Amino acid sequence: EPEVTQTPSHQVTQMGQEVILRCVPISNHLYFYWYRQILGQKVEFLVSFYNNEISEKSEIFDDQFSVERPDGSNFTLKIRSTKLEDSAMYFCARRTNEKLFFGSGTQLSVL
Amino acid sequence: LAKTTQPISMDSYEGQEVNITCSHNNIATNDYITWYQQFPSQGPRFIIQGYKTKVTNEVASLFIPADRKSSTLSLPRVSLSDTAVYYCLVEGSQGNLIFGKGTKLSVKP
Repeated sequence: EPEVTQTPSHQVTQMGQEVILRCVPISNHLYFYWYRQILGQKVEFLVSFYNNEISEKSEIFDDQFSVERPDGSNFTLKIRSTKLEDSAMYFCARRTNEKLFFGSGTQLSVL
Repeated sequence: LAKTTQPISMDSYEGQEVNITCSHNNIATNDYITWYQQFPSQGPRFIIQGYKTKVTNEVASLFIPADRKSSTLSLPRVSLSDTAVYYCLVEGSQGNLIFGKGTKLSVKP
């Protein structure tokens, strides 16, 4: 099955700046997830998004994070004021029949 | 949310069969068992999914005993390119898909 497309592939930002990571579904799927993976660590769940609403979120997903689907197509993760510890690979995934299909990720580097 | 336990790492040689076992004692009736593979700097990739008994596809086999409290991913005749981290997840339609630490498989020539 086709995966999702993520942009950008790399993002470098200064601490305190806002970043927006984008996920573009191949087709009109309703169920999406965001995960992050700090270098050398496990894949961490951030948030799930179903039918344009947050379904579940983890403790990591605090007030600095938000998700939305502004145009009914692209699915975005926003970090309002980045911190050094936000540096990680961020993965978007769509869920179909209890299976996840991941994008290639966005490598976020906060300086 | 069913917790899974896997070996942290495994070593193998090219051409061997590799079996990775995952324990999930608290699996719920509606939960499926899914395995993912992850290469460095890439997102996890779906390998195989099952509910009970045995499932086989072009990549691997998944063995699930009757009590479903564990599952074994079997990779036939591994090659160097199978070196990766393998994750076992259990979850039903209502829950989130939480990754554990996975099993780091190293295949040597």
